[in-house]
Amino acid sequence: DAGVIQSPRHEVTEMGQEVTLRCKPISGHNSLFWYRQTMMRGLELLIYFNNNVPIDDSGMPEDRFSAKMPNASFSTLKIQPSEPRDSAVYFCASTPQGRTDTQYFGPGTRLTVL
Amino acid sequence: GENVEQHPSTLSVQEGDSAVIKCTYSDSASNYFPWYKQELGKRPQLIIDIRSNVGEKKDQRIAVTLNKTAKHFSLHITETQPEDSAVYFCAASWSGSEKLVFGKGTKLTVNP
Repeated sequence: DAGVIQSPRHEVTEMGQEVTLRCKPISGHNSLFWYRQTMMRGLELLIYFNNNVPIDDSGMPEDRFSAKMPNASFSTLKIQPSEPRDSAVYFCASTPQGRTDTQYFGPGTRLTVL
Repeated sequence: GENVEQHPSTLSVQEGDSAVIKCTYSDSASNYFPWYKQELGKRPQLIIDIRSNVGEKKDQRIAVTLNKTAKHFSLHITETQPEDSAVYFCAASWSGSEKLVFGKGTKLTVNP
């Protein structure tokens, strides 16, 4: 299995632009998580889905952030408009069917907003 | 909600020595405690985990202990090697939830 796939791996954009991050979970996994990692705040859970349905979005910073999971093999995290304070590494993780506690992380997307 | 405190934030040891990282949690309903290792520029990867019905678990040079009464758990690495240098995160989850709450991480440096 290829593991969790994220794209792009690096994104540099200017303040005010729209940014879309993409994630493909491991096939057969039924839960998907989006995290943001910064030096100051560590690993923060932004939102997670179970069977494509958003379960908990309490970690989404504000209305500029949105996430979707149109099917079991694809999810997006969108920031519009982006701001310099959004600069971070964004990780996607998924969990296997029946083992919802073990999370497998993707390689992450390093976002820089100028 | 659940809160996980992790100490120390940085730890430096000599190769061959042992390293211990400690975490405390706030929610007594927490029942799953994984540890992740993150090398520089890489993704967090699970190295060991323990559930609340077990007090200790060992896998070669790493072990995790859990004290449910005191609500703390620890990672022990023996005979440390330079390749153990990384950031280590503890986390906690509770029955009925798929969420993991992470500690802030410990940067471990093993000096040759």
